[in-house]
Amino acid sequence: GESVGLHLPTLSVQEGDNSIINCAYSNSASDYFIWYKQESGKGPQFIIDIRSNMDKRQGQRVTVLLNKTVKHLSLQIAATQPGDSAVYFCAENGGSGYALNFGKGTSLLVTP
Amino acid sequence: DVKVTQSSRYLVKRTGEKVFLECVQDMDHENMFWYRQDPGLGLRLIYFSYDVKMKEKGDIPEGYSVSREKKERFSLILESASTNQTSMYLCASSVGQGVNGNTIYFGEGSWLTVV
Repeated sequence: GESVGLHLPTLSVQEGDNSIINCAYSNSASDYFIWYKQESGKGPQFIIDIRSNMDKRQGQRVTVLLNKTVKHLSLQIAATQPGDSAVYFCAENGGSGYALNFGKGTSLLVTP
Repeated sequence: DVKVTQSSRYLVKRTGEKVFLECVQDMDHENMFWYRQDPGLGLRLIYFSYDVKMKEKGDIPEGYSVSREKKERFSLILESASTNQTSMYLCASSVGQGVNGNTIYFGEGSWLTVV
């Protein structure tokens, strides 16, 4: 079946550096994508989303890039802080519109 | 702020017991979801509901059932708990029909251990 996947299971960055978390998806019908952040012991928290008619969207310190040609999604975090340490999930709607499919997550560790 | 509340954070149940996981959202959302989260497997959709008394199977519905008698409440039921259902269960909700552009909000999770 089609799936959502992440290139790297763990990512370690130094405080103040920029972080890039990547995600590949395989369902060409997907037209809505979300990044979630999950801290230890908590539920996933919405970070930013993007529709397929866009290729870039910016939030506060975060940018999501979408490349539909190669079915690739990335999350960029500027000036990474210790509070950014968490597991990050990408999710897509598979074109269905009713539920999200999640990737397996990337653990981001920010070191001082 | 949207609030999705899962009534039980930590539960320990015996094999064969009937287990109820309750979820309430306070934003009048049409859609509600139950996911389970396991290490290395990410989040997998069990069931979802887009209206009162409506339910749809997700990717892994076997061994589970759900109930949506009121718009704000979505219950996950394990008819006969088994050890392979030990997991973290996440409830979520979103507004409107479908998820396109409608953010899905998650609860804090319910950690279930079946012994």
